[in-house]
Amino acid sequence: GAGVSQSPSNKVTEKGKDVELRCDPISGHTALYWYRQRLGQGLEFLIYFQGNSAPDKSGLPSDRFSAERTGGSVSTLTIQRTQQEDSAVYLCASSLVAGGSITQYFGPGTRLTVL
Amino acid sequence: AQSVTQLDSQVPVFEEAPVELRCNYSSSVSVYLFWYVQYPNQGLQLLLKYLSGSTLVKGINGFEAEFNKSQTSFHLRKPSVHISDTAEYFCAVSENSGGSNYKLTFGKGTLLTVNP
Repeated sequence: GAGVSQSPSNKVTEKGKDVELRCDPISGHTALYWYRQRLGQGLEFLIYFQGNSAPDKSGLPSDRFSAERTGGSVSTLTIQRTQQEDSAVYLCASSLVAGGSITQYFGPGTRLTVL
Repeated sequence: AQSVTQLDSQVPVFEEAPVELRCNYSSSVSVYLFWYVQYPNQGLQLLLKYLSGSTLVKGINGFEAEFNKSQTSFHLRKPSVHISDTAEYFCAVSENSGGSNYKLTFGKGTLLTVNP
């Protein structure tokens, strides 16, 4: 079946511009996570959505970052007034959760470059 | 809060040699443990996971890992590597805190390079 998809695959933007990154999780997966992978670093957790529950935003690095998940499916990560330190690969993952299945399946990522 | 340490940032080996990639973690609660692999210009793929039960877990592509609670380790091993195993390997933990949020804390990764 279809995996997690993300768009765009690459995004180059100028400092100060806003960007939106999209994630389509695996159909039926109720949990959705965003992570950031900066060069030479491991992945950092950003935000978690589960059904209609309040999201866990504890990993968002600043108030320039926000995310939403519409209809329990597609999610959009928005970065306002981008800075050069926002350059990274942004990865989305989804998991089923029900039945004790907690494995996260990752999308291919969006590579963001802020000039 | 939990943390993950991957002790080697790079591991070069020759083809058909055995390899061990080391991972240590710290957490105040029980954890679930994962190894993911990232091939060049690709997303992360799950290699194996430890949730409960037998401490020796087998994954895809001939990899296995052993959970050692006393040493808080989850080292990844393969008895004979191939050129195609060249990739970055990430160890990750998730806290078993009774909720439904299984956010992962990752190590910084180990680049495995298999040479002919």
